[in-house]
Amino acid sequence: SQTIHQWPATLVQPVGSPLSLECTVEGTSNPNLYWYRQAAGRGLQLLFYSVGIGQISSEVPQNLSASRPQDRQFILSSKKLLLSDSGFYLCAWSEPGVEKLFFGSGTQLSVL
Amino acid sequence: DQQVKQNSPSLSVQEGRISILNCDYTNSMFDYFLWYKKYPAEGPTFLISISSIKDKNEDGRFTVFLNKSAKHLSLHIVPSQPGDSAVYFCAASEGNNNDMRFGAGTRLTVKP
Repeated sequence: SQTIHQWPATLVQPVGSPLSLECTVEGTSNPNLYWYRQAAGRGLQLLFYSVGIGQISSEVPQNLSASRPQDRQFILSSKKLLLSDSGFYLCAWSEPGVEKLFFGSGTQLSVL
Repeated sequence: DQQVKQNSPSLSVQEGRISILNCDYTNSMFDYFLWYKKYPAEGPTFLISISSIKDKNEDGRFTVFLNKSAKHLSLHIVPSQPGDSAVYFCAASEGNNNDMRFGAGTRLTVKP
């Protein structure tokens, strides 16, 4: 069966510090991968998605970036965090062409 | 640009009664709709979906209704149970799950 791992579960970072969140998927090949963010009191906002190694599409321009160094690994990064980057970050995967997302357990990021 | 809207941030119902969660969308190109359930500090989990070629889909206690002319869908939970207490997200896509849009969520509380 397929599983998705996302870490860390919680993170407190000072403004201006770098960020690296990692997500890995097991039990499937060539998945579509996604990063979503849920800000307080708001819905899930799609940040990045990837249909293959090295292929990244950005939905929202901001100081975050994503990379997919391996087929089942998706990384969300920032060089300098802003207060507005605080939120609940979710990694997700799907089978290509299948309209159902499977989410990781999320990372609660607090930028202070 | 909120293409998917859940106008009720919260809903409280008594155990055993019906819970009705509503969702409206603006993009007439959406052709697939999903409901996700989310517990605190966890990622959303898929609950039920419906294609635009149908107007109803039922899975146990959960039924989703789609009214394409009104661009409205609803999730019915009958009977409601305390374990159903969670945040419910409505989502929609245009047949390409790279562009799945989520509503802001409705927090359901089922009281014993």
